[in-house]
Amino acid sequence: GEDVEQSLFLSVREGDSSVINCTYTDSSSTYLYWYKQEPGAGLQLLTYIFSNMDMKQDQRLTVLLNKKDKHLSLRIADTQTGDSAIYFCAEIPSGGSYIPTFGRGTSLIVHP
Amino acid sequence: EAGVAQSPRYKIIEKRQSVAFWCNPISGHATLYWYQQILGQGPKLLIQFQNNGVVDDSQLPKDRFSAERLKGVDSTLKIQPAKLEDSAVYLCASRQDRISGNTIYFGEGSWLTVV
Repeated sequence: GEDVEQSLFLSVREGDSSVINCTYTDSSSTYLYWYKQEPGAGLQLLTYIFSNMDMKQDQRLTVLLNKKDKHLSLRIADTQTGDSAIYFCAEIPSGGSYIPTFGRGTSLIVHP
Repeated sequence: EAGVAQSPRYKIIEKRQSVAFWCNPISGHATLYWYQQILGQGPKLLIQFQNNGVVDDSQLPKDRFSAERLKGVDSTLKIQPAKLEDSAVYLCASRQDRISGNTIYFGEGSWLTVV
C-alpha cells in the first residue's frame, strides 16, 4: 500500500532557503504534489511534478524528484514569514482511481 | 473561476447528534473527494465520486457516515450519530476529469468539534 513520510517540523531564519523532504513507497506514482495549509484554511496547491521529471522550478519553489530513492523535496528560496504553514506531500499512483495519499505534513516555522 | 465551496465552516455539536456538510465543486469538475483531517495528521480519504457514482468508499465508516452526490454536482456528507473522535476538518476537493485535469483543488474545509 501507499505510505508517505515527512519530517514533522522545520525551523528556518527569514531569508534562508527551506528544504522540506518527503519519501513515498509506491513506485508506480504518476504525480507528486505539494500543498500548503495555513492555520484555519484548506489546502492550497503549490506545485506538482510528473514522475518522468527530475526537477521543476516555479519562481521561489524548486521540486526535486529522485525516483530511485522515492524521495521528493520542496525547496523554498528566500523564505519569508508568510511561508510559515504546514506543507503536505501527496502521491497519486498510476492507474486505478486517482486518489491522492497524503503525508502527515511538515510544519515550517520562519523566524526573523 | 470560483473555487470549491463548503459549508458550514464551523460546527460544534454534542456526541450522538447529527451533522451535515455541503460541498459545491468547481464547475465542470467530474471528480469529487471528501477527506477527513484530524488535528496533527494529513488528510485521509473518506469517499471519491466520479459524476454521481461512488469510485471508492472503502475508508468511509458506513455505520455512521454517509455521502451522496445525486446530480453529479454538489455533495453532502452526513455523520449520524457523531462521536468525539469525529472532531476534525472535513475537506472537499474536486478535479476536472481523469484525462484532461490532473490538478486537485480543495475547499476551505468544515471544522467539526464534537463535545
